[in-house]
Amino acid sequence: DAKTTQPTSMDCAEGRAANLPCNHSTISGNEYVYWYRQIHSQGPQYIIHGLKNNETNEMASLIITEDRKSSTLILPHATLRDTAVYYCIVRVDSGGSNYKLTFGKGTLLTVNP
Amino acid sequence: GAVVSQHPSWVICKSGTSVKIECRSLDFQATTMFWYRQFPKQSLMLMATSNEGSKATYEQGVEKDKFLINHASLTLSTLTVTSAHPEDSSFYICSARTSGLYNEQFFGPGTRLTVL
Repeated sequence: DAKTTQPTSMDCAEGRAANLPCNHSTISGNEYVYWYRQIHSQGPQYIIHGLKNNETNEMASLIITEDRKSSTLILPHATLRDTAVYYCIVRVDSGGSNYKLTFGKGTLLTVNP
Repeated sequence: GAVVSQHPSWVICKSGTSVKIECRSLDFQATTMFWYRQFPKQSLMLMATSNEGSKATYEQGVEKDKFLINHASLTLSTLTVTSAHPEDSSFYICSARTSGLYNEQFFGPGTRLTVL
């Protein structure tokens, strides 16, 4: 799987948008970008994923650059409960079930009141 | 979304004893389950992958005789830490993958193991 690079930590004011970047310059054409987050002492929670196009769901938006070498996760209105470690993961999706999610160090997002 | 549960949520045991952790997929059938370990302030490290009815595949450096994994049904996998030692103290997280088109992976809440 392609490696990802994320900033170690970021801060965001409550109510503002949080933009979390991820570099995946070695990504291949069939590799998806996944985002998970982990609130302290809990299991990871799925947020969103995408291949080429930008994606949006009730939690967040995912913006993938045209060359697919980087992406940004956007939390439109961050709340204190969004404080967590956010993991950007590149996953090969061949349509089968033989893939593994490899977690990097992630970005610790701290939302401040 | 799909729900994965773990039991117990925390356990304290004496050195040398064995501890079993259960992982269940509550509302879906999981053909594949995963076990991760997370030390304080570190990321999740995949320990092993198990398919229902098959032997688990362990990641490099993980002792299969120490971390016994059983995936006897499509909704249950167990991890047994045998002869636990203080260095095995960690946060153990299981994950289950759905079968079918979207093939998504969901995580349990984790089990905090402390070995005295």
